[in-house]
Amino acid sequence: QSVLTQPPSASGTPGQMVTISCSGSSSNIGSNVVSWYQQAPRTAPKLLIHANNQRPSGVPDRFSGSKSGTSASLAISGLQSEDEADYYCAAWDDTLNGHVFGTGTRVIVL
Amino acid sequence: EEQLVESGGGLVKPGGSLRLSCAGTGFSFTYYNMVWVRQAPGKGLEWIASISGGSIYMYYAESVKGRFTVSRDNAKRSLYLQMNSLRAEDTAVYYCARHVNGMDVWGQGTTVTVS
Repeated sequence: QSVLTQPPSASGTPGQMVTISCSGSSSNIGSNVVSWYQQAPRTAPKLLIHANNQRPSGVPDRFSGSKSGTSASLAISGLQSEDEADYYCAAWDDTLNGHVFGTGTRVIVL
Repeated sequence: EEQLVESGGGLVKPGGSLRLSCAGTGFSFTYYNMVWVRQAPGKGLEWIASISGGSIYMYYAESVKGRFTVSRDNAKRSLYLQMNSLRAEDTAVYYCARHVNGMDVWGQGTTVTVS
């Protein structure tokens, strides 16, 4: 019952750019910051982007985030094989009074 | 190194209880909000509870409200999740995470199976 909607999958060849969308509403993305997480198989999630477009130290600048209105996007440029993972967006929801995650997008490197 | 380590998972019968723990090291535990996030088999991430540094604010997902209780003991640098009236749909890997600018430090997860 995720309130943030993402495409189930995205794919690209090495070196290409892949963009993942995250659609929400005025009570979450529209009024709060968005973060993005990467989860490789059988591992804990890892923070990639916080505050819509800020990268924690150690995250490659191939990863970038943006937000407009009630939607957000994660772009991965120069796609690499190790980028194959599940990606989740998240935001605080003022109506639910809690964090909400996106439905998740599996990135496949062809 | 900033680290979180969960423990306490296991197999429990429907209607039973379990208490998860999360120990934090390498950072000033007291000053950070903490969250619990779970992931059912083959499913996505689900936030279930948050607690502020001083335990003043606690928030719960509707799916666990009234059954789960989040707490912390800053002197022991530990976060807890008391889970009562467990259901089959609570079967998941449970992660604790530090929340400051996003959920920036995660534990390795502990598995809870309700069957």
